[in-house]
Amino acid sequence: KAGVTQTPRYLIKTRGQQVTLSCSPISGHRSVSWYQQTPGQGLQFLFEYFSETQRNKGNFPGRFSGRQFSNSRSEMNVSTLELGDSALYLCASSLAGGNEQYFGPGTRLTVT
Amino acid sequence: KQEVTQIPAALSVPEGENLVLNCSFTDSAIYNLQWFRQDPGKGLTSLLLIQSSQREQTSGRLNASLDKSSGRSTLYIAASQPGDSATYLCAVLNAGKSTFGDGTTLTVKP
Repeated sequence: KAGVTQTPRYLIKTRGQQVTLSCSPISGHRSVSWYQQTPGQGLQFLFEYFSETQRNKGNFPGRFSGRQFSNSRSEMNVSTLELGDSALYLCASSLAGGNEQYFGPGTRLTVT
Repeated sequence: KQEVTQIPAALSVPEGENLVLNCSFTDSAIYNLQWFRQDPGKGLTSLLLIQSSQREQTSGRLNASLDKSSGRSTLYIAASQPGDSATYLCAVLNAGKSTFGDGTTLTVKP
């Protein structure tokens, strides 16, 4: 069974731009969660989607948004990028939320 | 607000030693607790998941325990190997979201 995939793996953007990251969960998994990892703040929860609905949300500004499609693939969008958005963005899938989470390799975003 | 602490932040041991990593959390109303390893620049690899009703889980040389009442979990690694060198993270799930500790960076010297 294929694991969680994330595209792109690396991204360089300039301040003020917007970016869209993609996550394809393990087949059959309906829950997708997104996390931001930085050296200073560690791993922080962004949001969780289940059956195309955002079920839970972390403490991030509205510039961070996401969606989930009917095939459970998810996208995360960050608008008006700031230098502090430079991070490794990880997504995780699970069968139904609350189950074991499986992580993708992450997207390394650098904002210059 | 859930807070997760992992001690120690870093650990260096010679190959073959048994070791224990600690994870503590402030809100005992958790749904489950999961241990991960992360290699530099990579994603997280799931090691063990303990449901709130369980006391421990074992996988190979790894054993994780959970004491909800005291807000603690331990990850025991037996007969450590250089390939075990990585950062180990614990995550607790409650109120629909996972909260991670900052991790313990383990170095196993040959």
